[in-house]
Amino acid sequence: TQLLEQSPQFLSIQEGENLTVYCNSSSVFSSLQWYRQEPGEGPVLLVTVVTGGEVKKLKRLTFQFGDARKDSSLHITAAQPGDTGLYLCAGAPKRSGYALNFGKGTSLLVTP
Amino acid sequence: GAVVSQHPSWVICKSGTSVKIECRSLDFQATTMFWYRQFPKQSLMLMATSNEGSKATYEQGVEKDKFLINHASLTLSTLTVTSAHPEDSSFYICSAALTQRVNTEAFFGQGTRLTVV
Repeated sequence: TQLLEQSPQFLSIQEGENLTVYCNSSSVFSSLQWYRQEPGEGPVLLVTVVTGGEVKKLKRLTFQFGDARKDSSLHITAAQPGDTGLYLCAGAPKRSGYALNFGKGTSLLVTP
Repeated sequence: GAVVSQHPSWVICKSGTSVKIECRSLDFQATTMFWYRQFPKQSLMLMATSNEGSKATYEQGVEKDKFLINHASLTLSTLTVTSAHPEDSSFYICSAALTQRVNTEAFFGQGTRLTVV
């Protein structure tokens, strides 16, 4: 069962464009995390959102947690080739301990 | 951020042999660690939750006799793939949870690429 639905699965854009990645679920999460993974490496944590409605910014990346804590989005402004990678959302449903469930990921390619 | 070290980074083994992968939390204690498996161009799939001093909890469909997990200390969990077969070839990643103030975050090892020939 896929608890977190992530879209789009693949995205190819040109440098300078904006993009948004979505992470949706029917379950409530105490927090959601966004990771970025390079080929052959483990995921690296970008941000954790905890409060419903929360917005966090990390340079050109803006993360938002839905009011009901069931969804999140990642917006990248003026994408650069260095943003290329696999973006994963993850969360541990409430009362499930901390075993993370991952979305299927969004593979982003930014071309010069 | 906290550091989780995984070893080896890659391993090639013959079919039928066993392979052990280590996951260490270097600068914090982790009572719980997690093992994931990732196939090419796919996301991470949770295999099991490793609990220090007790038996691991396996996800549905994961054979506990094939994927042996030992969490003997607060900084080390091991995953042993027993009688490995080519279909076990995959990218295995561990993580450890760290609670700081009110938030708990997971930090990942660099992964182990297992190739069974």
